[in-house]
Amino acid sequence: NAGVTQTPKFQVLKTGQSMTLQCAQDMNHEYMSWYRQDPGMGLRLIHYSVGAGITDQGEVPNGYNVSRSTTEDFPLRLLSAAPSQTSVYFCASSYAGRDTDTQYFGPGTRLTVL
Amino acid sequence: KQEVTQIPAALSVPEGENLVLNCSFTDSAIYNLQWFRQDPGKGLTSLLLIQSSQREQTSGRLNASLDKSSGRSTLYIAASQPGDSATYLCAVNQAGTALIFGKGTTLSVSS
Repeated sequence: NAGVTQTPKFQVLKTGQSMTLQCAQDMNHEYMSWYRQDPGMGLRLIHYSVGAGITDQGEVPNGYNVSRSTTEDFPLRLLSAAPSQTSVYFCASSYAGRDTDTQYFGPGTRLTVL
Repeated sequence: KQEVTQIPAALSVPEGENLVLNCSFTDSAIYNLQWFRQDPGKGLTSLLLIQSSQREQTSGRLNASLDKSSGRSTLYIAASQPGDSATYLCAVNQAGTALIFGKGTTLSVSS
């Protein structure tokens, strides 16, 4: 089991560029989510999905798009990068809707927007 | 809106000391509460998960308690070691899906 994997580990973008952060899990989890972590702000939810074809917004969705075409993958797209999107991005997965289920996190992607 | 607060923000202790990290939340309607560890520049590692119907969970030197009615959880670390130095995050799962995180307690254990 690879668990939750994220690529790339590091990325530098210029303002206005677009890119996709990749997230994959091999645990057959229904639920996947994206968080960003900023100093002094903690982790905040960007988007989440409870299954293939189903996505919803979290606390800070502006500037980000997601789609869920398979159970395994949940990519996060930055359409036009801004300096305010400089952050560390974490993907997480779990079974959905059960109070026994631990959420597993990927190693993160460190993004800098110049 | 659920809010999660962790106190203290930072804590320094000598090796061998027992310590308690605190987490409070404003809405008691939660699925579960999870404690994570984060080392500098790394991802989150799950330490303990307490279901809403449980009062505590133990793993090795770690013990987490949950009092839903008062909106509080504690993480007790026994006989602390320098390897315990990290940031500890508390998160509540309110709807069976997303987690709401506190800002963490940064622990430093000196030898």
